[in-house]
Amino acid sequence: DGGITQSPKYLFRKEGQNVTLSCEQNLNHDAMYWYRQDPGQGLRLIYYSQIVNDFQKGDIAEGYSVSREKKESFPLTVTSAQKNPTAFYLCASSINPTPIREQYFGPGTRLTVT
Amino acid sequence: AQTVTQSQPEMSVQEAETVTLSCTYDTSESDYYLFWYKQPPSRQMILVIRQEAYKQQNATENRFSVNFQKAAKSFSLKISDSQLGDAAMYFCAYRSASREVTSGSRLTFGEGTQLTVNP
Repeated sequence: DGGITQSPKYLFRKEGQNVTLSCEQNLNHDAMYWYRQDPGQGLRLIYYSQIVNDFQKGDIAEGYSVSREKKESFPLTVTSAQKNPTAFYLCASSINPTPIREQYFGPGTRLTVT
Repeated sequence: AQTVTQSQPEMSVQEAETVTLSCTYDTSESDYYLFWYKQPPSRQMILVIRQEAYKQQNATENRFSVNFQKAAKSFSLKISDSQLGDAAMYFCAYRSASREVTSGSRLTFGEGTQLTVNP
């Protein structure tokens, strides 16, 4: 089955530790995205990548880093510099360059930092 | 920068009735796309319906339809014959039609409307 995989579903970390969230897609999509979801705030864009080896900051990139070494993978690292890392993180992908195509979302990872 | 506003944090509807969710947006662009996504308790985001701004005809997908008012920058979602499975958080989203890498295909979301369907 084609789709987007995010693992793990729940992740717990101690404050001060970096943590990497996995996102893999086998849809052959060019573009990939990371969103953060907090209660009452909808989804906010962290980083996105239109092609391999290239990515752009979204609206809330501070404290996060990404890489795009392979078309199917777009891992997100939440660094210790992120002040409020506890949130629900969603990965998405879409076909480029057809703009009408919607973004397909993964099942998400709930990160809790204590 | 574009903004999307959903002024109804919560809505409820009786099963089999009709409900309308509101969404307004702000943009200086003339060409763009609008979407409604549904997020059930599983938290999986599911596309409900989409609208191209250059099309005057309102999009329809089975029981879901939109009322797109471009001049008013309004994009409401109507759910007819509501079903228990429609209960979810609904998000309105905006996407520029620009092909520039810096704006490209990014989505801007509203805050969401939690829809409850009462049996």
